[in-house]
This record gives sequence, C-alpha cells and structure tokens, in this order.
Amino acid sequence: AQTVTQSQPEMSVQEAETVTLSCTYDTSESDYYLFWYKQPPSRQMILVIRQEAYKQQNATENRFSVNFQKAAKSFSLKISDSQLGDAAMYFCAYRSASSGTYKYIFGTGTRLKVLA
Amino acid sequence: NAGVTQTPKFQVLKTGQSMTLQCAQDMNHEYMSWYRQDPGMGLRLIHYSVGAGITDQGEVPNGYNVSRSTTEDFPLRLLSAAPSQTSVYFCASRPGGQLNTEAFFGQGTRLTVV
Repeated sequence: AQTVTQSQPEMSVQEAETVTLSCTYDTSESDYYLFWYKQPPSRQMILVIRQEAYKQQNATENRFSVNFQKAAKSFSLKISDSQLGDAAMYFCAYRSASSGTYKYIFGTGTRLKVLA
Repeated sequence: NAGVTQTPKFQVLKTGQSMTLQCAQDMNHEYMSWYRQDPGMGLRLIHYSVGAGITDQGEVPNGYNVSRSTTEDFPLRLLSAAPSQTSVYFCASRPGGQLNTEAFFGQGTRLTVV
C-alpha cells in the first residue's frame, strides 16, 4: 500500500523569504502523480502544483516549485518570496496513474505560518 | 462556475441522529468521492463512485452510506451519528478518462456530534 509522510507538522517563514516543505512517499508503482494542495482557513482545498512521475523536469507554478526525487521518493515544495496569503495548511498527495484509479493518499499536512 | 457544492457548511447532531450531507458537481465528472479530515490524520477516503449507479467503499466506510443516482449528485448519509464521526467532510470530483487531472474539492462540511 502507498503511504505519504509529511514530517513537519508546522513551519514558519518570514515574509519575502523562502521555505521548503518536505514530503516523502512509498510506492512500488513506477507511474503516478503527486500533488500539493493548500488549505487556507476557509477550508477550501486548492491545488498548488502537480508532478507527473514520468517527467524528470520539476514542476513550477510562479513562486511555487517542487524538488522531485523519484529514486529517493521525495517531493518537496519550495515557496519563494513568501506572502502573508501563503499561510495555510499544505497537504502532499499521491495518486496512482493506473486507469480507473480514484483514490488520493494524503499526508498529515504541514501548517505554514508567515511572519510579517 | 459552481464546481463542487457541499451543503450544509456546518452541522451539529445529537448522538443517534441521522442526516445526509449533500454534494453536487456541475462539471460532468465521472469520479466522485467523500473524504473526512481529522487533526493529525490528513484526509481519508470514506466512499467513492466511478459513475452513476456505481459506488464502493474506501478506507473508513463504517457508519456511512452513499448512492449515486445521477452524475451530478453524490450524497453521504450518516445512519446513526456517533461522536467519532465529528470531523470535516470533503466531497471531491474529477474526470474519469483523464489520468493527469487533479481532484476538485467542495468547501467542506464541519460536523459536530454531541
């Protein structure tokens, strides 16, 4: 069975600085997708970034980028130029690429605080 | 531009009461699912559906029922509420035939069972 581990329950970053959130996963599959979701106080789950396992290039979305290390089964999220609006809970998630796959495996989340 | 709509947003139940959490999506997505979010445990899958008339159990199905009579709607029924079902519930949907798409989530329902 697949597992996702986020070992940092809480992180803090100064506004305008850079922070990296860690995520490791375990799977025997070779093809899968990895996601970072942001959950602000409104509770809405918002997709931040997505990585396909077959792509070697790390995904980037504006100030958000990932460091995807497939052999090490690591998928960290880097937030550059942190803003107050980045304060939220961040969840790492895994989904198999097998046809018909419905299930996301979520980590336990990392709460990010942004200090002014 | 509604996406996934959950109702209600908040609910307080007494132990033993039953209720239905509603979920509707207007994106014609085949896959729909229900998760519960508990502190320190992330989101866990309760039930899912891959199309109208087809449902199956996830990781934590006990105490919950679902049905999928239409593509748009996927209600979650609590049969006899227990304090252990106090949680935040999320409904999610995504297209069935597109492997690389993300799940779209509703805004969640915070349920308290007293």
